[in-house]
Amino acid sequence: QSVLTQPPSASGTPGQRVTISCSGSSSNIGRNTVNWYQHLPGTAPKLLIYNNNQRPSGVPDRFSASKSGTSASLAISGLQSEDEADYYCSAWDGSLNGYVFGTGTKVTVL
Amino acid sequence: QVQLQQSGPGLVKPSQTLSLTCAISGESVSSKTAAWNWIRHSPSRGLEWLGRTYYRSKWSNNYAVSLKGRITINPDTSKNQFSLQLNSVTPEDTAVYYCAWEGSDALNVWGQGTMVTVSS
Repeated sequence: QSVLTQPPSASGTPGQRVTISCSGSSSNIGRNTVNWYQHLPGTAPKLLIYNNNQRPSGVPDRFSASKSGTSASLAISGLQSEDEADYYCSAWDGSLNGYVFGTGTKVTVL
Repeated sequence: QVQLQQSGPGLVKPSQTLSLTCAISGESVSSKTAAWNWIRHSPSRGLEWLGRTYYRSKWSNNYAVSLKGRITINPDTSKNQFSLQLNSVTPEDTAVYYCAWEGSDALNVWGQGTMVTVSS
């Protein structure tokens, strides 16, 4: 059972901006850094954002993220067809002593 | 560059033990800055973190609360790999299982995934 809450879906036309929210609590997002993962069907998830807002090498700057209090958000600007995927937020939970993932958001490019 | 290669059976009978291995290249399983994780994905539950093992001054583990008592993650320093054992499996454990390298508090590199079906 996921501890972090995300909207089940988001969509936009090519070139638009899409944002995904991630709501947690004081035991996870409130005290630890947030990471975001992109999951394309049939492939392994890929780290998209780490440490709240940092992009690993090779991730386009169209992807950005922020964190405030017990919530976080991911933004995709200049939406492209290859951005169609499931997106998950994640954080360490100090009460559970483990990582927790969000419920996942399916992004569709119309 | 860290790479992970998973191996193990894709079909397990109910009540038996699921066993998977993750071979590491480009880093040592005994690294004091890394941790070695297992995660699974199913359409109904999304991504679910299962547990991890790591070495600092000694070996330690963290496990998902929902799996405690059924799960064991062990390092194998002689082969530079780590393993997952999940006991008493049910069809609910059917999922794609991934291993992952954790560095700087993020799951940076993932294995290719293993589809495991629990069925008689």
